[in-house]
Amino acid sequence: KNQVEQSPQSLIILEGKNCTLQCNYTVSPFSNLRWYKQDTGRGPVSLTIMTFSENTKSNGRYTATLDADTKQSSLHITASQLSDSASYICVVSVHMRFGAGTRLTVKP
Amino acid sequence: GAVVSQHPSRVICKSGTSVKIECRSLDFQATTMFWYRQFPKKSLMLMATSNEGSKATYEQGVEKDKFLINHASLTLSTLTVTSAHPEDSSFYICSARGLLGVSSEAFFGQGTRLTVV
Repeated sequence: KNQVEQSPQSLIILEGKNCTLQCNYTVSPFSNLRWYKQDTGRGPVSLTIMTFSENTKSNGRYTATLDADTKQSSLHITASQLSDSASYICVVSVHMRFGAGTRLTVKP
Repeated sequence: GAVVSQHPSRVICKSGTSVKIECRSLDFQATTMFWYRQFPKKSLMLMATSNEGSKATYEQGVEKDKFLINHASLTLSTLTVTSAHPEDSSFYICSARGLLGVSSEAFFGQGTRLTVV
């Protein structure tokens, strides 16, 4: 069983709309949780990194939340743009284990 | 942000040959480097973790004699796919983490598209 589960697997939204991606994990030990954006055929690019004590962190239109008690994280994207179309991956340290990702498509 | 350079970005090789992929941290010292493999429309699968100056730790199911990892310096790690076969064709990505250990950001290379014919 994967120790990092992401949902939904894929998502299609209209430009300008908001969306929320989910990440549940069972990885232990836990030091931090990261969200990455990966365009097809490229390496992942970091969006946020959150430690055990942080509940929320924002990076522009991206806002990540973390509930370390329930081992859940979410990534909220506000006012989506066409360039947001990519895979969004949740990664839980220490061992840098990746979730399967959510494939987001933003349509005009 | 920090830069991790991966080379080559694309390589085509014949079955039975070996291919070396380099991963360099250009503006920071990377005590730990990670090597991943990614199949189309799938997430990254961790292959191995290497710490500078010590042997790499391989994930279960990854053949260490098949995928040789060397992390000889704080700025360079290499992955050698030995006796490559068509099923080794994949997208390989490295990641480097700095001196602060698990608290450090991990930066990714651009990836290497390997095609074995």
